[in-house]
Amino acid sequence: GAVVSQHPSWVICKSGTSVKIECRSLDFQATTMFWYRQFPKQSLMLMATSNEGSKATYEQGVEKDKFLINHASLTLSTLTVTSAHPEDSSFYICSATTSSGGTDTQYFGPGTRLTVL
Amino acid sequence: GDSVTQMEGPVTLSEEAFLTINCTYTATGYPSLFWYVQYPGEGLQLLLKATKADDKGSNKGFEATYRKETTSFHLEKGSVQVSDSAVYFCALRRAGRRALTFGSGTRLQVQP
Repeated sequence: GAVVSQHPSWVICKSGTSVKIECRSLDFQATTMFWYRQFPKQSLMLMATSNEGSKATYEQGVEKDKFLINHASLTLSTLTVTSAHPEDSSFYICSATTSSGGTDTQYFGPGTRLTVL
Repeated sequence: GDSVTQMEGPVTLSEEAFLTINCTYTATGYPSLFWYVQYPGEGLQLLLKATKADDKGSNKGFEATYRKETTSFHLEKGSVQVSDSAVYFCALRRAGRRALTFGSGTRLQVQP
């Protein structure tokens, strides 16, 4: 089946630094990728939708300048958390979609745990 | 807005017990409904789905029926195995939208 990877799987950084998280579709081309954020014991919350070659669409309440999303190719999307602060500590999950027979199927990465000190 | 509510866990069962994980939703129109499963260290995987009222999704012995009258999509399995231990997420996708709205997840622990 289709596989989505994320790198790194976990990262610890100092407050004020920036962190980049990669999401790759390994064996298929993803026209759309999604970025979710998950707090402990809470649901995945959609942050943004990313289409290859165009600007990401952010959900209400998500700071565009803080969470920079780039979808430069059909197999790679990156999320950069700029000037990270402890409240940005969370589990970030990406998913990638490929349309098959007109039905979208989403494939999820294993997630990246970010801890900001 | 759209929302999904599922029972809090963890749910602890003995092997071969019957499983029910409740899920209810709020959404405009007629969303598609999904159950995803996340095994330790892995990404979410689609377990089953239903796209219209009274549809039954099934996979690996799990079943869920789209009940519009009660806005529910409860997950059931007649006989769980230790290998079913995972976190289960209920989700919906509104018509015309590609992103998913998730519930908070329910951890299932099956003991031998």
